[in-house]
Amino acid sequence: GAVVSQHPSWVICKSGTSVKIECRSLDFQATTMFWYRQFPKQSLMLMATSNEGSKATYEQGVEKDKFLINHASLTLSTLTVTSAHPEDSSFYICSARRPSGANVLTFGAGSRLTVL
Amino acid sequence: AQTVTQSQPEMSVQEAETVTLSCTYDTSENNYYLFWYKQPPSRQMILVIRQEAYKQQNATENRFSVNFQKAAKSFSLKISDSQLGDTAMYFCAFWSYGGSQGNLIFGKGTKLSVKP
Repeated sequence: GAVVSQHPSWVICKSGTSVKIECRSLDFQATTMFWYRQFPKQSLMLMATSNEGSKATYEQGVEKDKFLINHASLTLSTLTVTSAHPEDSSFYICSARRPSGANVLTFGAGSRLTVL
Repeated sequence: AQTVTQSQPEMSVQEAETVTLSCTYDTSENNYYLFWYKQPPSRQMILVIRQEAYKQQNATENRFSVNFQKAAKSFSLKISDSQLGDTAMYFCAFWSYGGSQGNLIFGKGTKLSVKP
């Protein structure tokens, strides 16, 4: 149980275009999901907390107009990288808190974005 | 602000032997959760073990165990009978209740290589 699906696993796009990444909790409802960014050989940095039915909470330094987060249902959160540029190339990982509590997060498999 | 420090960027161990990964953290909270996550080459984040700060007993999951020293704010991970499949990045993480939902703060990771 507690499976999180993330799609696409990798995407290549041209500079200036927008890319949407989906994060789904397959067998549980997730009122809160988290979006992380991971640079090569580095740790995970929290970008924003996605709350179902309300606006996302962004970490300091993360542009909310650049990284649009929508959490329209209890099983789906989306991250849209708008007007992508090569510096947005990275590995993006979503996670959701398991219903069992104890603040355990289940992670998606990640999405590798390459902006040409 | 909470911080998590992993002082060993890389470690290696022979198959079947034991290795300990270190982690220290800083917080003013009294009740919190600590985690070790594993990220193999597939980049999928996998929960290895978790510890509730109010529990004095060290958590154990099969070959994985922790040495939790609350006063010293230390949370090391011991892997016994190391297997080739244990090769991965290991991240120590702290659940922070800062903000409305809390979030997981990661250390920079330790790259573990298990050698045959």
